Amino acid sequence: DAKTTQPPSMDCAEGRAANLPCNHSTISGNEYVYWYRQIHSQGPQYIIHGLKNNETNEMASLIITEDRKSSTLILPHATLRDTAVYYCISQYNNNDMRFGAGTRLTVKP
Amino acid sequence: DVKVTQSSRYLVKRTGEKVFLECVQDMDHENMFWYRQDPGLGLRLIYFSYDVKMKEKGDIPEGYSVSREKKERFSLILESASTNQTSMYLCASSRIARSSYEQYFGPGTRLTVT
Repeated sequence: DAKTTQPPSMDCAEGRAANLPCNHSTISGNEYVYWYRQIHSQGPQYIIHGLKNNETNEMASLIITEDRKSSTLILPHATLRDTAVYYCISQYNNNDMRFGAGTRLTVKP
Repeated sequence: DVKVTQSSRYLVKRTGEKVFLECVQDMDHENMFWYRQDPGLGLRLIYFSYDVKMKEKGDIPEGYSVSREKKERFSLILESASTNQTSMYLCASSRIARSSYEQYFGPGTRLTVT
């Protein structure tokens, strides 16, 4: 079973920030939080990952709470092309990646 | 640019046929993975390999086998296809690195078994 929980769906207006929450209350100290997204009919795409500090790259920002029990993926200026299913995963080695159902984000014009 | 390719995007096979799904990566990654994706069930790990000729079972290996004769190629084999193996099959690869396990996925093969 996936060790994370996410809302099944969210909407966001184009140009606004999309904030996708993830709960990982049972995460252990050496597990990273990874985010992927899957656009329809394509394979999942890596977005970002972090351990305890907040992270930012060209695609998104990841905010991890101090107790590490939850995190938020932020797409600062969502576009229509960001419509996808977003997966939050806690992982500590290569063979422990468990994808749940994810959050279906719909960006609306 | 990172690239994982799969031999077919769509495949239709008959029950009982032997099916080969091929995956090739050009990133010199040590690890390779096969998943299947079904509506409502997310991605489930079938097998993975962390080196040539090495393989490990994932969560749902029954009915499948794999082969990794070369580092860049990882094959998934359905010895006798059944209708419950109709699914989207995704291949992925990753490198061995501390604190960095991101996987790179291929486009997927949608297999239909009739």
